[in-house]
Amino acid sequence: GESVGLHLPTLSVQEGDNSIINCAYSNSASDYFIWYKQESGKGPQFIIDIRSNMDKRQGQRVTVLLNKTVKHLSLQIAATQPGDSAVYFCAENNGNNRLAFGKGNQVVVIP
Amino acid sequence: DTEVTQTPKHLVMGMTNKKSLKCEQHMGHRAMYWYKQKAKKPPELMFVYSYEKLSINESVPSRFSPECPNSSLLNLHLHALQPEDSALYLCASSHSIGTVGEKLFFGSGTQLSVL
Repeated sequence: GESVGLHLPTLSVQEGDNSIINCAYSNSASDYFIWYKQESGKGPQFIIDIRSNMDKRQGQRVTVLLNKTVKHLSLQIAATQPGDSAVYFCAENNGNNRLAFGKGNQVVVIP
Repeated sequence: DTEVTQTPKHLVMGMTNKKSLKCEQHMGHRAMYWYKQKAKKPPELMFVYSYEKLSINESVPSRFSPECPNSSLLNLHLHALQPEDSALYLCASSHSIGTVGEKLFFGSGTQLSVL
């Protein structure tokens, strides 16, 4: 389930199940979005990106969905594995040469 | 080579010390970035270099001084830091800035503790 409080929002998921991580962005002018994965002690690692002229993009076991009407981005991970345990950040290019990161979601995979 | 390499991985320094963080990439990228990340928070942009010139300074205090000696190297010089400056400092690079679709590649960061 999910918990929100002083800690990062956390999604606990059984190994083998699908995960969905959500992100709301604020700037309707943003034209490019990226999902990053950050494991403990490491820097953010690129997962998948999408431009604003698309609403869906698929990678290996991951799918990003973009809903510009409600300014919402989601990352779907199929058949979640223990190695998927990490913090996931969405980021938007708001047109000022700056990549703005969202708050982050912790994913915990239960073996 | 798709790596951004940062040294040192860990650094402990006193408030009167002077130290430097180093970053290196050999992907031919012409934009390099410094980010600061507090625990359980997203990375926050500090500086952007484009073609070895400082392009963006996000109102960072002068006790942080960036330097880009060449297109592959980025340094962050630290002097008279405060304990609240303790954080993970991340370096990143991209092909350029100002183009839609620029992916940033991050290093593993330097975990800095200021005593």
